[in-house]
Amino acid sequence: AQKVTQAQTEISVVEKEDVTLDCVYETRDTTYYLFWYKQPPSGELVFLIRRNSFDEQNEISGRYSWNFQKSTSSFNFTITASQVVDSAVYFCALRDDYKLSFGAGTTVTVRA
Amino acid sequence: DVKVTQSSRYLVKRTGEKVFLECVQDMDHENMFWYRQDPGLGLRLIYFSYDVKMKEKGDIPEGYSVSREKKERFSLILESASTNQTSMYLCASSPPGTSSYEQYFGPGTRLTVT
Repeated sequence: AQKVTQAQTEISVVEKEDVTLDCVYETRDTTYYLFWYKQPPSGELVFLIRRNSFDEQNEISGRYSWNFQKSTSSFNFTITASQVVDSAVYFCALRDDYKLSFGAGTTVTVRA
Repeated sequence: DVKVTQSSRYLVKRTGEKVFLECVQDMDHENMFWYRQDPGLGLRLIYFSYDVKMKEKGDIPEGYSVSREKKERFSLILESASTNQTSMYLCASSPPGTSSYEQYFGPGTRLTVT
């Protein structure tokens, strides 16, 4: 069985604040893939990052960074110096074979 | 760029109607998926297809069926729509083979069943 937990339902910040989104997963597989997607108000999910279970290096892409810790089964996502355009629902997902298992999502609201 | 399109952004149907949701992708992807998205539940997989005429049940297939007659098109069918099928429906596609590939999503269809 697989499970992805995003404990934070909603986060509201003021522009330029940092925001961290938590993601905890459960799997019995030794090989798996983790993803983050962004869903802006337009509705279309946008792929942000993929990480495989053998690569525990943290990654930074512009204002986005990801912290993968296999020991705690977590794959957290930080937005640095948030902007209004970052307002969206963010989903963490775990993939085995063909299927993605999604967390419930975290709604991020960035106020100007 | 991968393009996944869905036939309608918004749809309103009556209870008991047969509903067709269409999805088309233009990247020659083997794998296609149908999800429904509900608040607090994230996305849940309804059905997926890894080849033409092939289909597999996802986590919540009850009340739904699918059709894949051509590689680029994957249809979701609600045989007799019910109010508890009011939801956002998302289609996705991905290349074949390994599970490392991300899925590409369409814009979604918000279905209301009255």
